[in-house]
Amino acid sequence: AQSVTQPDIHITVSEGASLELRCNYSYGATPYLFWYVQSPGQGLQLLLKYFSGDTLVQGIKGFEAEFKRSQSSFNLRKPSVHWSDAAEYFCAVAPSGGYQKVTFGTGTKLQVIP
Amino acid sequence: GAVVSQHPSWVICKSGTSVKIECRSLDFQATTMFWYRQFPKQSLMLMATSNEGSKATYEQGVEKDKFLINHASLTLSTLTVTSAHPEDSSFYICSARNPRDGDNQPQHFGDGTRLSIL
Repeated sequence: AQSVTQPDIHITVSEGASLELRCNYSYGATPYLFWYVQSPGQGLQLLLKYFSGDTLVQGIKGFEAEFKRSQSSFNLRKPSVHWSDAAEYFCAVAPSGGYQKVTFGTGTKLQVIP
Repeated sequence: GAVVSQHPSWVICKSGTSVKIECRSLDFQATTMFWYRQFPKQSLMLMATSNEGSKATYEQGVEKDKFLINHASLTLSTLTVTSAHPEDSSFYICSARNPRDGDNQPQHFGDGTRLSIL
């Protein structure tokens, strides 16, 4: 069965600082990997996705993520955080060749301080 | 703009009543839609897969008689929480896949429905 682990429940960074949110997955084959962002009381917005090819993927809002097969990781990064980035971030995985069932991590809440 | 719409966005009702939540695909036909539930400060958990014209497939531990799913058309799936109780209070989110997107595109998520049972 597929699973996703986000080891950091809560992260606080200063505005302008760099950010890295960790994500580890468990799946037998090469999965489809996603990062979503959720503002309080809102739905999900897709930041970026990885299916194949270049292991460094660029997303919206200046985010990027790197797929590392050897570490089963798909960490999200941003070089300079803005106050508007404060939200909950979810890493998710779906089976290769089809994504009928998406499994989400437990989420990381990002707080940005001035 | 949004391609999956949920209605209502927020509902408050008394314990014992039934509540219906709608999920619509706005510009595509979705043979499959998904219903997720998110408890406060927790992740999204898949409840069931809604299949147009057939019975929904429920995840383990989800009561199918409690959470009735109807996917009567290619653009609409409904989730009815029957005889709702305070423990059913949660954030419910639906998603759908646009078959024209191709295999490499993710599901489109609605904005969610916050259900509060008093």
